[in-house]
Amino acid sequence: AQSVSQHNHHVILSEAASLELGCNYSYGGTVNLFWYVQYPGQHLQLLLKYFSGDPLVKGIKGFEAEFIKSKFSFNLRKPSVQWSDTAEYFCAVNRGNAGNMLTFGGGTRLMVKP
Amino acid sequence: NAGVTQTPKFRVLKTGQSMTLLCAQDMNHEYMYWYRQDPGMGLRLIHYSVGEGTTAKGEVPDGYNVSRLKKQNFLLGLESAAPSQTSVYFCASSRLAGVGDTQYFGPGTRLTVL
Repeated sequence: AQSVSQHNHHVILSEAASLELGCNYSYGGTVNLFWYVQYPGQHLQLLLKYFSGDPLVKGIKGFEAEFIKSKFSFNLRKPSVQWSDTAEYFCAVNRGNAGNMLTFGGGTRLMVKP
Repeated sequence: NAGVTQTPKFRVLKTGQSMTLLCAQDMNHEYMYWYRQDPGMGLRLIHYSVGEGTTAKGEVPDGYNVSRLKKQNFLLGLESAAPSQTSVYFCASSRLAGVGDTQYFGPGTRLTVL
């Protein structure tokens, strides 16, 4: 079965620190990859997605992610976090040939200290 | 556009009671989904629909039923609520099930079963 792993469950950073959140998936075929963010009390919003082309994807609010096929990874990065980035981040995967059903990772709670 | 809306926002049930959660979208999307979110487990797909009048099981369908009588609405029913169904429920929709098509999420319903 396809699974998605986010190894960091909780991350605490100070403002201006760099961020990298890990995401690994187990499926070996064609995949589409997503990062969603959930700010406190809000619904999930799409940060960025990858489905083909340049493996370095840029999203909203200065976030980017790199797809490394050989490592089955899609890590999320931001060079300098802000207090407003405090949120829960979810990696999600769907198989290109299986419709649009998403398998989510367990999420990473990020707290940014001012 | 309101996007994806969910009713109610909060609900407390006693074990054995039934209820229906309503999801509505005004984006003319074909696909709709119901997820549950539990701490440390990300979002798991309960049921989904690929169009009006159709439904299909997701990853965790037991104890839930769904209906899609109108394209814009997707109902999730609990016939006999159990404490294990205490969770936050999210509805989502997408235009198609095409490669990389984005799912848009509602604000969630927090359900507690006593």
